[in-house]
Amino acid sequence: EVQLVESGGGLVKPGGSLRLSCAASGFTFSSYSMNWVRQAPGKGLEWVSSISSSSSYIYYADSVKGRFTISRDNAKNSLYLQMNSLRAEDTAVYYCARRRKYSSSWALDYWGQGTLVTVSS
Amino acid sequence: AIQMTQSPSSLSASVGDRVTITCRASQGIRNDLGWYQQKPGKAPKLLIYAASSLQSGVPSRFSGSGSGTDFTLTISSLQPEDFATYYCLQDYNYPHTFGQGTKLEIK
Repeated sequence: EVQLVESGGGLVKPGGSLRLSCAASGFTFSSYSMNWVRQAPGKGLEWVSSISSSSSYIYYADSVKGRFTISRDNAKNSLYLQMNSLRAEDTAVYYCARRRKYSSSWALDYWGQGTLVTVSS
Repeated sequence: AIQMTQSPSSLSASVGDRVTITCRASQGIRNDLGWYQQKPGKAPKLLIYAASSLQSGVPSRFSGSGSGTDFTLTISSLQPEDFATYYCLQDYNYPHTFGQGTKLEIK
């Protein structure tokens, strides 16, 4: 059974840092691209970042570029999001999601339960 | 960045109704679009990938269509468990972008 379990969320002051983790199990983690998606309270979904299976390709939303760093450790079946210079508008539930390649397209087929990050003084 | 315009933003319907939600991309995205369902307090769930392919385990009352810039999600006969918020997501290029969401409520 595929499982994605996020951790590391919490309350942090503006300008602070936080590192999120996503522990993967039930599939060959090193074969899949992974993503972070967030959702501010009462708002819609926002794609945050993506990393390819071997970490060769990394992409960020403009809203987090230069402040957030995605990484992975395939030996530990883990995905990470290092968040620096946090702002109030970064307050959200952060989901990790597996990106699967279908024959002609891609999609986020499994999601974790999310971890809440609150940026407030 | 590609903008995804989803409509309507909210929709009231009854059990048994047929409903359609649309997403329009600001430029062509081939069929690189997925539809996701989210219930309150839960993670999103993939319903449709590649614009029209049904994800394994998803009921056949859900269907998707479209290519290029215009896409639709149709629920043929609403069931009580379908009342949720639905999002489209373009996976054509980076940054990936979601539609604003459609909240489907019970009439």
